[in-house]
Amino acid sequence: EAAVTQSPRNKVAVTGGKVTLSCNQTNNHNNMYWYRQDTGHGLRLIHYSYGAGSTEKGDIPDGYKASRPSQENFSLILELATPSQTSVYFCASGGDWGRQNTLYFGAGTRLSVL
Amino acid sequence: AQSVTQPDARVTVSEGASLQLRCKYSYFGTPYLFWYVQYPRQGLQLLLKYYPGDPVVQGVNGFEAEFSKSNSSFHLRKASVHWSDWAVYFCAVRTGFASALTFGSGTKVIPCLP
Repeated sequence: EAAVTQSPRNKVAVTGGKVTLSCNQTNNHNNMYWYRQDTGHGLRLIHYSYGAGSTEKGDIPDGYKASRPSQENFSLILELATPSQTSVYFCASGGDWGRQNTLYFGAGTRLSVL
Repeated sequence: AQSVTQPDARVTVSEGASLQLRCKYSYFGTPYLFWYVQYPRQGLQLLLKYYPGDPVVQGVNGFEAEFSKSNSSFHLRKASVHWSDWAVYFCAVRTGFASALTFGSGTKVIPCLP
């Protein structure tokens, strides 16, 4: 069973503080993704990665950085958190382009920036 | 650019009744399409996926979807809704960037109580 684990599950941060969301996958997938989910918007892609050492900007990267130090781990970093970044964040992993490729999602991190 | 539209934010249905959730996509070329389901406080789980071939795709738990190139649609349906189907459903199309997905805004299925 494909597994993606996110930590923490819940986080309260102060405006201007630094926040790091972590994601670990045991699927040996090359590709990993960070999405945020907001009512009325569905899921929107923040950053993604093709493999260790790679990070790419998605559709809404402003205010976020990403880090992929290894095949298994992919972090999302908010250097200066703002209330507009209050959201639920999902990490996912997926294989390369192919018929059987599917994205597997973690359970999400609920972030509140006060 | 690719996009997905789910025109119904909420759908009300009685247990045992049939269900159809609408999805329209915009994509240059042949799309790879997906339906995911999200239960409260959980991540997204794959229901079914479409790759070029048979336009009717079978998924888990009695769900199926039909691809129509002429209508740019990928509607999801189920013949008889069970109480466990109360959830939010997302339609998605694969992009070219590390096989990331672009999601619609989601449709919440809620019970129609007598």
